[in-house]
Amino acid sequence: DAGVIQSPRHEVTEMGQEVTLRCKPISGHNSLFWYRQTMMRGLELLIYFNNNVPIDDSGMPEDRFSAKMPNASFSTLKIQPSEPRDSAVYFCASSFGLAGGTDTQYFGPGTRLTVL
Amino acid sequence: AQKITQTQPGMFVQEKEAVTLDCTYDTSDPSYGLFWYKQPSSGEMIFLIYQGSYDQQNATEGRYSLNFQKARKSANLVISASQLGDSAMYFCAMRGGDFGNEKLTFGTGTRLTIIP
Repeated sequence: DAGVIQSPRHEVTEMGQEVTLRCKPISGHNSLFWYRQTMMRGLELLIYFNNNVPIDDSGMPEDRFSAKMPNASFSTLKIQPSEPRDSAVYFCASSFGLAGGTDTQYFGPGTRLTVL
Repeated sequence: AQKITQTQPGMFVQEKEAVTLDCTYDTSDPSYGLFWYKQPSSGEMIFLIYQGSYDQQNATEGRYSLNFQKARKSANLVISASQLGDSAMYFCAMRGGDFGNEKLTFGTGTRLTIIP
């Protein structure tokens, strides 16, 4: 079975440019998560969706960041305009979306973003 | 609020020895899940093992086992018969049991190096 798919795997852009990261969750999973990993802050949740609806976006750093999930098999994370401090690895993860603490999240390979 | 603490920034272990990676947690949720992920140098996040707060027995997955001590709020990962391929960052994480509380809270990680 295919795992979580992310594209691009690497992105190098210049400050001020728009960046769009893409994610395809595991088929049948109802929850989708966007995480960011940096040396300074570790792994932190940006936003997550359940059944395509945003549930918690409290981790989105500022208005420059936006995320959408137009259908069950696709999500985007957009940064506009990008800044050097946005340089990080962005992970997408998905899960069945079960309550009770038992739900396992499976991560994609990540997108390494470098903003010059 | 949930909190995960990993107190070992780095560990060096001789090949074939067992290793224990420490993890303590704090939460007020009666129901929660504890997870361990492995991040090799290639960067992907690999799910290793899960323990539910109501599970009576410690979880095991092949060479991985989780030493769950609920009263002490600890969930240590034990790797038996370590191999060179076990060299990686290891993250402990937890999530709440309620819908809307699905996000994973991660520790700062432990970098494990297996010495031949």
